[in-house]
Amino acid sequence: QLQLQESGPGLVKPSETLSLTCTVSGGSVSSSSYYWAWIRQPPGRGLEWIGSIYYSGNTYSNPSLRSRLTVSVDRSENQFFLKLSSVTAADTAVYYCARHLRYSGNELFDYWGQGMQVTVSS
Amino acid sequence: DIQMTQSPSSLSASVGDRVTITCRASQSISNYLNWYQQKPGKAPKLLIYGASTLQSGVPSRLRGSGSGTDFTLTISDLQPADFATYFCQQSYLSPWTFGQGTRVEI
Repeated sequence: QLQLQESGPGLVKPSETLSLTCTVSGGSVSSSSYYWAWIRQPPGRGLEWIGSIYYSGNTYSNPSLRSRLTVSVDRSENQFFLKLSSVTAADTAVYYCARHLRYSGNELFDYWGQGMQVTVSS
Repeated sequence: DIQMTQSPSSLSASVGDRVTITCRASQSISNYLNWYQQKPGKAPKLLIYGASTLQSGVPSRLRGSGSGTDFTLTISDLQPADFATYFCQQSYLSPWTFGQGTRVEI
């Protein structure tokens, strides 16, 4: 059974860089069948797709975050990563990693991690 | 970006009821519409993709329909496990965007 687990600091200071790791088990980030995604949910609000990465390192992301965003993958460790720079309180959210399946033109997120609360505060 | 608007934002129902949630896209998205269920403190779970195809393991009491700009999720014979928040998501055009959610309450 595929499992994803987010990890990283739960508290980040304003203007600093938020860094999260997603560790994948029961499957491989090296699979050519999937992308791997980051999605976030601010408190009391809906979901926002942040960006996705392929095993080759090819990425695409939400233009609203692109200038501050780095998504990377480590195939040897079966992990992928999120870095979001110059954070503000607006970046406070639960951050999820997910498997991103591209199927018949559809883009869907079929497995999710449990989510990690990240708070931006001094 | 394509805006996804769900209605209602919340609804109250009883076990055994039939409920319908609507999702409207700001432009035509063909059938590139997915539905997720989220319970408090848990990750979202994919229910339906391609507007009407049930994900493996999802009960047939759930039904998705629609195309273009208007979509519905119908849950028949509401069960205790169905009380949750439901999100739609478009995958027609990046960035992939979600509705604000519909909370189904007892």
